[in-house]
This record gives sequence, C-alpha cells and structure tokens, in this order.
Amino acid sequence: EIVLTQSPATLSLSLGERATLSCRASQDINNKLAWYQQKPGLTPSLLIYDASNRVTGIPVRFSGSGSGTDFTLTISSLEPEDFAVYYCQHRYNWPHTFGGGAKVEIK
Amino acid sequence: EMRLLESGGGLVQPGGSLRLSCVASGFTLSDYAMSWVRQAPGKGLEWVSAISHSGDDTFYADSVKGRFASSRDNAKQTLYLQLSSLRAEDTAMYYCATHFPHCSSGSCSYFDHWGQGTLVTVSS
Repeated sequence: EIVLTQSPATLSLSLGERATLSCRASQDINNKLAWYQQKPGLTPSLLIYDASNRVTGIPVRFSGSGSGTDFTLTISSLEPEDFAVYYCQHRYNWPHTFGGGAKVEIK
Repeated sequence: EMRLLESGGGLVQPGGSLRLSCVASGFTLSDYAMSWVRQAPGKGLEWVSAISHSGDDTFYADSVKGRFASSRDNAKQTLYLQLSSLRAEDTAMYYCATHFPHCSSGSCSYFDHWGQGTLVTVSS
C-alpha cells in the first residue's frame, strides 16, 4: 500500500498570503495524484487531478505541481473561503489511499 | 442535477452486519465507476472500495478486504456495500462517490460527486 504523507499538518496564514501544502508518496506514483478541499460539515470537493490539472470551475489561485513522489498544492492568495482541510489522494494502483490531511487556518 | 443518497447506516454490535445503499438520480449510474469512502468522526478520509461500471470488477482497502463487498444494480440506479464482521474501527460516515470522467484517458478513480453519507456506528 502506498502511503501519502502530508505536511505541515496545520498551516496558519493570513488573508492574501500564499499557502504551500506538500504531499509525499512512499513510492513513485507518476502524476496520479489529486487534491481535495473539505470544509466543516461538507463533503470533499475535487480541486486538482493528475497532479496539475484544475477541475472546471476551480479558481486559478489553486495550482498543483509535482511528479514521482513529491507534490505541492499552492493557493496563491488566500481568500476567506479557502480556510479548510486539504487532502491528497493517489490512483496509481489499488488500494487507493488518501493523505492524512492538512488544515489551513486563519492566523 | 447529479444526486447520490446513501442509506442503511445505524448502530450495530461488533461482529454484526449492515448493507448500505446509494441511490443515484439525475444521471445514468451505469455511465460511472463508483467508490465508497469513509470518514471516522473527526478524522481523515479513507477510500474503502471501488466497483466498475458493470460491477464485474471490485477493489478493496486492505482494512476491509474479506469483510466488505461492493455490488450494484444499474437498472435500479443503486450501489450497495455489504459490511460484515464489523469492528469498532469501522465506525464512520460512509460516502458513495462517482469517479471523475474527465481524465486524459477518460474515467479515472478520483472522486467527483459525493452523497451526504450514512453513519455506521459499531459498538456494544
């Protein structure tokens, strides 16, 4: 089973600041990684697929990069609605797994 | 509008069984591969199982393999997850979700539309 490790677990930032979230895979997963956003009481929303492709309707301030074992989700300038928990997930093989999550909170 | 509605959760004793259902509306279920994902209270997401469009292929997390079984009835627009030999650590909200249809190769197993979930509590 491929383990995805997200860091940091919590990121405390102010409005307008840049957020950089990391996801590291325990083995090479090519570009087979997605990012989700989950707000309290709501179901997750798919943001980025195959490492760097933004889902239709997702704001351009969200971008994904990386390949192999190291991946990054960047939010270029935090808006109030961006404070949430973010998860990465791979589809390289079965079983698929999620990272443990990273919370972006208001400083 | 695509909608998914899960049901069948509840309180069950360790070792017991439940069958979860997920009814799809607003789209043709047979057009989508599907997954179940769970989330324990206050915890992160855990992928549980996937099933192909036809139901011929199923996949499971190591933590549930041999205890859970996915199936589907496309004519009834319904997805099922049979839970057996339940343990306290299976306590979670269980969500069904469609697979994302827009990867370069077509459908891929990221999770696009989600139901609101059904809560399974395993406790004596």
